[in-house]
Amino acid sequence: QQQVKQSPQSLIVQKGGISIINCAYENTAFDYFPWYQQFPGKGPALLIAIRPDVSEKKEGRFTISFNKSAKQFSLHIMDSQPGDSATYFCAASRGGGSNYKLTFGKGTLLTVNP
Amino acid sequence: GAGVSQTPSNKVTEKGKYVELRCDPISGHTALYWYRQSLGQGPEFLIYFQGTGAADDSGLPNDRFFAVRPEGSVSTLKIQRTERGDSAVYLCASSLTGLAGRRELFFGEGSRLTVL
Repeated sequence: QQQVKQSPQSLIVQKGGISIINCAYENTAFDYFPWYQQFPGKGPALLIAIRPDVSEKKEGRFTISFNKSAKQFSLHIMDSQPGDSATYFCAASRGGGSNYKLTFGKGTLLTVNP
Repeated sequence: GAGVSQTPSNKVTEKGKYVELRCDPISGHTALYWYRQSLGQGPEFLIYFQGTGAADDSGLPNDRFFAVRPEGSVSTLKIQRTERGDSAVYLCASSLTGLAGRRELFFGEGSRLTVL
């Protein structure tokens, strides 16, 4: 059972365009929703995260939109740059205690053409 | 070092052999995680340590996989009787705990295991 479903699998965007990646989750116990960015040969790195008590969070060119009733959240990358080309993973974790175990989506390979 | 360090970066072994993968977390991080990432997939949780104890090993696929963290810092993931299906990148992550807002996991670059 895949608890976090991510789409699209791959995405090609022109420089300056908007990249949008979507995720849906099933477990209503999840209360923390981060996006991780991974470059080839590197480990994932936290990009931005949101909690379900807000509907949107913006950090620079990166925005998370969150729809609690639909159990969906998305990453928007404004003014996409070639340096943004990477694999993006949405994830989710449950609250309680110190275990920050993440359940990841399958990833989206983003290519930003110059 | 400043980040999570994993060794070896690459390991090629034969089916049936025993393998150890090492993780050195960020200094002061009490929580340590192991994940497995197959080609084209997201990382899958294996095990979580808080200090020296394995607090959650629900992701270990079978009893061929075992991990230790004897002194609450460095951890070793051990795989016995390796199978071709074990081929993947094994990622280690560490984190601080007790922070109200930010549950950030810091990942190493991984150990790529290839079982021939």
